[in-house]
Amino acid sequence: SQQGEEDPQALSIQEGENATMNCSYKTSINNLQWYRQNSGRGLVHLILIRSNEREKHSGRLRVTLDTSKKSSSLLITASRAADTASYFCATDGGETSGSRLTFGEGTQLTVNP
Amino acid sequence: EAQVTQNPRYLITVTGKKLTVTCSQNMNHEYMSWYRQDPGLGLRQIYYSMNVEVTDKGDVPEGYKVSRKEKRNFPLILESPSPNQTSLYFCASSSGVGSYNEQFFGPGTRLTVL
Repeated sequence: SQQGEEDPQALSIQEGENATMNCSYKTSINNLQWYRQNSGRGLVHLILIRSNEREKHSGRLRVTLDTSKKSSSLLITASRAADTASYFCATDGGETSGSRLTFGEGTQLTVNP
Repeated sequence: EAQVTQNPRYLITVTGKKLTVTCSQNMNHEYMSWYRQDPGLGLRQIYYSMNVEVTDKGDVPEGYKVSRKEKRNFPLILESPSPNQTSLYFCASSSGVGSYNEQFFGPGTRLTVL
């Protein structure tokens, strides 16, 4: 089964609104990463948060990590139509498989102009 | 320009006809990996390589082979493709261990096996 699972599967909002996507995982991790994918194209790295960090910011992106709940969230503030894409979280397996990344199925975000 | 390139970008083939998808990176990255992406299943790792001559299985290695003879290249080989290998394939690379570092993805190869 997938290590990381995103929620919701799809999200549709208006331009200017905030978008929140969640990721839950099953085993302990060293790091968690978020990626973005425009339709049919390669993934682009957004942010990496380490297991000893609780929050990280990058421009309009804010990522939180709660290792006790095994969950992370990605917040995109003041969304734009260009933010329309799929967003994936990726986790490693902690001590058991730290060199391997497991991706969730993604959240499809649509930002309507 | 720092990038990961894949060739071909699109490929239609028939069952059993051996094929190779090439992957090359110009960033001197140690870590490279292959993923396949299927609707409803997300991205699944096929194989990864920590460095030259070091490869290991990912989550779905059956039916695939890889080699890492040079640091920059990591080809994916399908010895006898089957229709269930129809998918979108991505190569990725990173400096150091993949889970600790940003992965750089190639543009993808859309493979159809008839």
